[in-house]
Amino acid sequence: EAEVAQSPRYKITEKSQAVAFWCDPISGHATLYWYRQILGQGPELLVQFQDESVVDDSQLPKDRFSAERLKGVDSTLKIQPAELGDSAMYLCASSEDRSDTQYFGPGTRLTVL
Amino acid sequence: QKEVEQNSGPLSVPEGAIASLNCTYSDRVSQSFFWYRQYSGKSPELIMSIYSNGDKEDGRFTAQLNKASQYVSLLIRDSQPSDSATYLCAVSNNFNKFYFGSGTKLNVKP
Repeated sequence: EAEVAQSPRYKITEKSQAVAFWCDPISGHATLYWYRQILGQGPELLVQFQDESVVDDSQLPKDRFSAERLKGVDSTLKIQPAELGDSAMYLCASSEDRSDTQYFGPGTRLTVL
Repeated sequence: QKEVEQNSGPLSVPEGAIASLNCTYSDRVSQSFFWYRQYSGKSPELIMSIYSNGDKEDGRFTAQLNKASQYVSLLIRDSQPSDSATYLCAVSNNFNKFYFGSGTKLNVKP
């Protein structure tokens, strides 16, 4: 069964450092999502791609976060510099199209010290 | 007002009982509705999707949608300890934007 791949699974960093997360969606899925989930809360959308284009990044803190999906396949989410409040689970999800069911990867647990 | 509201729980039910999880949403033009299960420290996994009013059954799970009341629910029959998890309700509007609730924690006691 096809799955969304994410790496790393865990990341510990010090504040002010740069971190990057990678996501490879299910093959053929045009829509890719990055979410941040703080403990005890639901996932919060950071950015949504349709192929290589950003369709929603209204909740992305653009002063420190960036995301790209250059060839419309895999994607990278970067934080620079990391802050203590960025500690969370970062989830990637993909769907065949924008209104379809989303399938989640295993997530990256980020701890900022 | 949040787009999707869920009671955070915990909801405790004995093994074998029916667990009822509820969700309300604010956008009347919402099109698609999803229930995800999330075990502690893991990512959400899809349980069911529902798009039209009424009930949809899949094994021990039944999703119920009432668009007039802006209400969606998930029933879990014959609850098992392995069903203990947080259940997330997600809603997609006609602009293809997804919103997740904060989840309801379910505890099934042996």
